[in-house]
Amino acid sequence: NAGVTQTPKFRILKIGQSMTLQCTQDMNHNYMYWYRQDPGMGLKLIYYSVGAGITDKGEVPNGYNVSRSTTEDFPLRLELAAPSQTSVYFCASSYSTERPNEKLFFGSGTQLSVL
Amino acid sequence: KNEVEQSPQNLTAQEGEFITINCSYSVGISALHWLQQHPGGGIVSLFMLSSGKKKHGRLIATINIQEKHSSLHITASHPRDSAVYICAVSSYGNKLVFGAGTILRVKS
Repeated sequence: NAGVTQTPKFRILKIGQSMTLQCTQDMNHNYMYWYRQDPGMGLKLIYYSVGAGITDKGEVPNGYNVSRSTTEDFPLRLELAAPSQTSVYFCASSYSTERPNEKLFFGSGTQLSVL
Repeated sequence: KNEVEQSPQNLTAQEGEFITINCSYSVGISALHWLQQHPGGGIVSLFMLSSGKKKHGRLIATINIQEKHSSLHITASHPRDSAVYICAVSSYGNKLVFGAGTILRVKS
């Protein structure tokens, strides 16, 4: 199993450009998440999905969009990049965060700089 | 005040020392997670707890639901344990709230 695969690892964008961060998992997990991690701060939830066709906003959704057309894929779209979106982005998946012994699986992260 | 508070923020230990990292939370939860983030950035899930205690190798995690507190202990610490340790709680709807992390450095 590859687990959670997240691409790209690094990206530099100019203000106003758009891009899509890709995330795919091969564990048949229902739940998928996008987080951003800013220096000295805890991970903040951007969007999450509880299954194909279902997405919902997290704590910091502004400036981002997601879709979940399949169980495996959960791409994150930045439409008009802004310097405030400079961060490290993590995709994660789980079967459930509340079932005993269930774990979260994280992608390797995307370091994004908007200049 | 953050919903999840970790202490200490930074911790330096000598190899072999017993280490404790604390996590306090202010909301009702269904589960608590401990995660490890290495300098390369990758995040690994260590434990998920809903009650009591769990042990894996030199790592022990405990939780006290009444006191809304969890601890992560590392016995016989080693430089390879150097990482950021993150506490996260699941309060409802399978969403997690994360602490800011504890930066651990173990010196040889």
